[in-house]
Amino acid sequence: DQQVKQNSPSLSVQEGRISILNCDYTNSMFDYFLWYKKYPAEGPTFLISISSIKDKNEDGRFTVFLNKSAKHLSLHIVPSQPGDSAVYFCAARTQGGSEKLVFGKGTKLTVNP
Amino acid sequence: DTGVSQNPRHKITKRGQNVTFRCDPISEHNRLYWYRQTLGQGPEFLTYFQNEAQLEKSRLLSDRFSAERPKGSFSTLEIQRTEQGDSAMYLCASSLMTTNEQFFGPGTRLTVL
Repeated sequence: DQQVKQNSPSLSVQEGRISILNCDYTNSMFDYFLWYKKYPAEGPTFLISISSIKDKNEDGRFTVFLNKSAKHLSLHIVPSQPGDSAVYFCAARTQGGSEKLVFGKGTKLTVNP
Repeated sequence: DTGVSQNPRHKITKRGQNVTFRCDPISEHNRLYWYRQTLGQGPEFLTYFQNEAQLEKSRLLSDRFSAERPKGSFSTLEIQRTEQGDSAMYLCASSLMTTNEQFFGPGTRLTVL
C-alpha cells in the first residue's frame, strides 16, 4: 500500500522555466512533509520541508505547497537550472509516534539548457 | 566533512555470506536511521535508534538482519546468510531529537551474487 505517491516518474523542463513536482498521500496522520533530491550514486539530500499546520514554505528558488484537504503537496522550482536535474523524493512523517519517513517512488527531473 | 559517512561504499558478496556495514552519523545527532532502497523505489525504513536504544524496527527487517549502536555513536547493520533479494542500496541517516529533518549518508551498495 503506497501511502505516498509520486505519479509522474519523470519531468522535463527548459532552463529558466518553473518545475512543478507533485506528491499525493493517503494517510491523514502524516504531519510533516519533506522533499529530498538525489543524484546518482549519492544519498538523498534534504531540500525543504513543511509542517501540516502551514500551507506554504519558501526557501530561495524552492517553494513547497501543502493542500491538506486534497492530501496533496507540490514542489516548485523557479527558475529551474540544469544542476537541478536529479530524482526528487517526497517523504512524510506520521504524527505522534513513529520517526520513520515514508517515501514516494521519486520523480526524475531533467532541466534542459 | 561533518556529514553522515558510510563504509564500505560498495560490497559484492556471494549468497550465503554475512556482511556488515558501518554508519557514522553527524556528531551531535542522537537519532540514527537505516533505510533500504531498491531500483525504482524510494527509500524504505528499516530501523532507528535514539542514542543506543533501538526504538523501532520495520517488518522488512527479518531475523537475518541485526543493527546495533553500542555507544550511541556509530551504528552497524549486519545481514546474515545473504540472499540475492538483499541486493540494494543501504542508506543511513541521522537527526537531532528536536528536528524532523533526516540527513542521509552516501549509502552502501550491496550486490549479492
